[in-house]
Amino acid sequence: QKEVEQDPGPLSVPEGAIVSLNCTYSNSAFQYFMWYRQYSRKGPELLMYTYSSGNKEDGRFTAQVDKSSKYISLFIRDSQPSDSATYLCAMRAGTASKLTFGTGTRLQVTL
Amino acid sequence: DTEVTQTPKHLVMGMTNKKSLKCEQHMGHRAMYWYKQKAKKPPELMFVYSYEKLSINESVPSRFSPECPNSSLLNLHLHALQPEDSALYLCASSQTTAFNYGYTFGSGTRLTVV
Repeated sequence: QKEVEQDPGPLSVPEGAIVSLNCTYSNSAFQYFMWYRQYSRKGPELLMYTYSSGNKEDGRFTAQVDKSSKYISLFIRDSQPSDSATYLCAMRAGTASKLTFGTGTRLQVTL
Repeated sequence: DTEVTQTPKHLVMGMTNKKSLKCEQHMGHRAMYWYKQKAKKPPELMFVYSYEKLSINESVPSRFSPECPNSSLLNLHLHALQPEDSALYLCASSQTTAFNYGYTFGSGTRLTVV
């Protein structure tokens, strides 16, 4: 079993839809949770960073962490074609330097 | 400056060539990383530098040789690579390895080994 599981998609939604992206994980030591957006042939861009359980909102993006269920989510409201990209969840334990990534979910927002 | 700059953006090299990838950041970050990413796969950690010293080598073959000449610069020297080493090579940085509020990644060098 992988430490981090993420549905690879592709996920196709119409413009304006609410998108829900999810990851599950098995390592209870993970405390820091991130979402990255990666456009084709570009490096990943940090979207959201959260510590432990709870919600965090930034504009159209909301990140949720449920440590009891080992489940994290990223919601995108009013999705735009420019949101079409691969979304990677990542997490790390304590002061560990290494990030463990999910496989990424490819999102396509259509007009 | 909030960027990590990687050069070159694209590189094609033969299996007998020697080349180097360069990464630069001016955010005062003291942790720098090399990752390798194959198509439709997540990034895989190769090396971690902390305060210019190598702290993690993820059992990377010796044909990849990292170097950190100063706190702003990270190089990856390549020699006798194989076609399966073709990938996107990503550099990243963070404040320190311990206080790591997510990495800042560069745009990567797309390497093709022929």
